[in-house]
Amino acid sequence: KNQVEQSPQSLIILEGKNCTLQCNYTVSPFSNLRWYKQDTGRGPVSLTIMTFSENTKSNGRYTATLDADTKQSSLHITASQLSDSASYICVVSGSGGSYIPTFGRGTSLIVHP
Amino acid sequence: EAQVTQNPRYLITVTGKKLTVTCSQNMNHEYMSWYRQDPGLGLRQIYYSMNVEVTDKGDVPEGYKVSRKEKRNFPLILESPSPNQTSLYFCASSIAGADTQYFGPGTRLTVL
Repeated sequence: KNQVEQSPQSLIILEGKNCTLQCNYTVSPFSNLRWYKQDTGRGPVSLTIMTFSENTKSNGRYTATLDADTKQSSLHITASQLSDSASYICVVSGSGGSYIPTFGRGTSLIVHP
Repeated sequence: EAQVTQNPRYLITVTGKKLTVTCSQNMNHEYMSWYRQDPGLGLRQIYYSMNVEVTDKGDVPEGYKVSRKEKRNFPLILESPSPNQTSLYFCASSIAGADTQYFGPGTRLTVL
């Protein structure tokens, strides 16, 4: 069964600090991997998308990496801001018959002033 | 404005009283999906639809029904709601299943 595991489950950091969130997956064959940001009580919003041939993708202070060989991805947040407090969800889609996306449970990030 | 809308946003009901949560998208997307989100469990897929008249079960379909008679609408039906269906529900749409999904604002349902 396709699975997406995220770590840590929750994280607390001080404003201005950097942090890295991890995502491991077993989805095969692989099509793409997305990171979503979900503010409390709101729907998730896409941050980045990476395909098999990409190993780094940036969106402002957010940088996602992908290692398709080890089936791992990370989301690095630079110079965190209070508005970064949210849940970050890793979503992996397969190709062929497994194209329905598989969601991780998310990492809850709290940024303290 | 491209968007996914859900109604109602908040609903409190009683056990056994049938209800429908509507979902509509104006982006001509083929793929639509319903999720429920509970603390510590993340988003879990209830049902999805690849196109009009094509629906399929997700991971937690028990107690729910859906229909896809038109491309833009994908209502979620609870024929006999129970307290364990108290949750935050999200509708989402995308061009195809593997593409970026656009989520609605969510419907917070409480079943007493």
